Amino acid sequence: DSGVTQTPKHLITATGQRVTLRCSPRSGDLSVYWYQQSLDQGLQFLIQYYNGEERAKGNILERFSAQQFPDLHSELNLSSLELGDSALYFCASSGINNEQFFGPGTRLTVL
Amino acid sequence: GQNIDQPTEMTATEGAIVQINCTYQTSGFNGLFWYQQHAGEAPTFLSYNVLDGLEEKGRFSSFLSRSKGYSYLLLKELQMKDSASYLCAQKRAGNMLTFGGGTRLMVKP
Repeated sequence: DSGVTQTPKHLITATGQRVTLRCSPRSGDLSVYWYQQSLDQGLQFLIQYYNGEERAKGNILERFSAQQFPDLHSELNLSSLELGDSALYFCASSGINNEQFFGPGTRLTVL
Repeated sequence: GQNIDQPTEMTATEGAIVQINCTYQTSGFNGLFWYQQHAGEAPTFLSYNVLDGLEEKGRFSSFLSRSKGYSYLLLKELQMKDSASYLCAQKRAGNMLTFGGGTRLMVKP
């Protein structure tokens, strides 16, 4: 158990819908990262937050957005969902030691 | 992944040693991670190299050559439970990780 929690574990929805994925980092970690992992793409970095502020942006679509709240939990919002958005979405957190600890992931299926 | 290359698949025998290679782009290098990932599960941290040389941790060791943009993960005394994907990831500015596509290792009896 990495100490990072993610909900929900599974999510099934339809094209065009909007979903919110939630992540709670390890106690004391200020950084939260979001990754997308699809079968043909591997792990792709989406976005990083540090203590509530956006720190780095990767291959994140405009239909996707994220935020980190004062209690340091983070949410990833995915809208106008397409079939190709079906993937595993991982959240990770890190403290001062650089190592990123990954949550169990949310498996999103868009039908 | 962006300019991170590792073999797609490898097969090895239980009890043997296997070396998984990774090459990366040297510009903007800030460290090299190896993660293990079983299918459908979260990646778990194996090693972190920032200086040249070999870091040993039990049955797993990781090597880095910064000038060559090269790293490898060495797994000794292979066990069936080592069958998994092994992800090489380069740390860039801001602690951002860029992952390779992963090497799927199959350990056979």
